[in-house]
Amino acid sequence: EIVLTQSPGTLSLSPGERATLSCRASQSVSNRYLAWYQQKFGQAPRLLIYGASSRATGIPDRFSGSGSGTDFTLTISRLEPEDFAVYYCQQYGSSPRTFGQGTKVEIK
Amino acid sequence: EVQLVESGGGLVQPGGSLRLSCAASGFNFDDYGMHWVRQAPGKGLEWVSGINWNSGSRDYADSVKGRFTISRDNAKDSLYLEMHSLRAEDTALYYCAKDGSTWNSYYYMAVWGKGTTVTVYS
Repeated sequence: EIVLTQSPGTLSLSPGERATLSCRASQSVSNRYLAWYQQKFGQAPRLLIYGASSRATGIPDRFSGSGSGTDFTLTISRLEPEDFAVYYCQQYGSSPRTFGQGTKVEIK
Repeated sequence: EVQLVESGGGLVQPGGSLRLSCAASGFNFDDYGMHWVRQAPGKGLEWVSGINWNSGSRDYADSVKGRFTISRDNAKDSLYLEMHSLRAEDTALYYCAKDGSTWNSYYYMAVWGKGTTVTVYS
């Protein structure tokens, strides 16, 4: 099973700042099969990125994904008030599918 | 509009059983793989199980393997999760999710339902 480790656990930033979230895999994720999700309190998760760097339908271009192998990054170029939430990475290159433990982006 | 509506959650004692259902609408259900994902109170997401479009491929998290069974009925646009030998650690909000691709498997979760709550108590 691939273990995904997200860092930092919490990111304290102000609106307008850049957020950089990391997801590190215990072994290489094949074909860059990595997705990112956003979850706000009391809501279901929402898909942001799949294939490491492809934005899902309707996702603003301030969200971008990069990386390959074992190291992946989600970048939010300029934080909007609605971006403060918890973010999860998920790999689908091998079975079983697994999630990271999440990074909380909070208002500083 | 794509919609996924879960049902069947509830209170159950350790060792008991439950069957979750997910009613899908707004898309061609039999074109997509499907997933169950759970979230324990105050915790992160845990992938539970996935099934491809024709039930030819299924997989489970190690934590539920041998106790949970995923199935689907394409004629009814419905996904199921049969849960047996339930434990306290199975207490969670269970989400049904539609896969993001039409490839012959289950990869990532493009659309999520609102979830149904399972509580295992003694």
